[in-house]
Amino acid sequence: AQSVAQPEDQVNVAEGNPLTVKCTYSVSGNPYLFWYVQYPNRGLQFLLKYITGDNLVKGSYGFEAEFNKSQTSFHLKKPSALVSDSALYFCAVSPPGSNDYKLSFGAGTTVTVRA
Amino acid sequence: EAGVTQFPSHSVIEKGQTVTLRCDPISGHDNLYWYRRVMGKEIKFLLHFVKESKQDESGMPNNRFLAERTGGTYSTLKVQPAELEDSGVYFCASSRELGRQETQYFGPGTRLLVL
Repeated sequence: AQSVAQPEDQVNVAEGNPLTVKCTYSVSGNPYLFWYVQYPNRGLQFLLKYITGDNLVKGSYGFEAEFNKSQTSFHLKKPSALVSDSALYFCAVSPPGSNDYKLSFGAGTTVTVRA
Repeated sequence: EAGVTQFPSHSVIEKGQTVTLRCDPISGHDNLYWYRRVMGKEIKFLLHFVKESKQDESGMPNNRFLAERTGGTYSTLKVQPAELEDSGVYFCASSRELGRQETQYFGPGTRLLVL
């Protein structure tokens, strides 16, 4: 069963508008959640993670994500998108388990920010 | 500090041939992971080394795949013989400590195309 879902294959926004990339998870227990970004011809770059504590997590490049336990979501947000934010975004979860350190990824969401 | 590096960046081989991918983790990172993204789908876990020992190889697809990490430094992933379905992007990641909360830092990936 898929642990992480990114319901949108593509998100298109105009520069300066808010950007939201959705992620929901389906693991039991306390998930550890991550966002990564892959710019064209580059590797995966870590953006932010939620472990515990404040539900709003701030990360690199002005991104933030909100952990919502009741909705089992961890949506990535940026108040004002830039053209340079155009990339492939992956949500990932580290499922509960004392000896399970592998990440389970969503299928990715392609973000296009138009000038 | 240098990031995770992978070699080669691209590889095109014919079905039945052998390919060896290399990963150099961030210096001092004992944990090394291999992942694969096939056909634009989810990034899937292959295996995890702690130093030179295989901690978890539950994601290895079959015995045509062999991963090694002699000396606990760099790692190689050999595919022999390669099949068409092995095409995809192979990512390597590393983390300093062992734990679900630890951030895994990814390399740029090796794009493998099997013809």
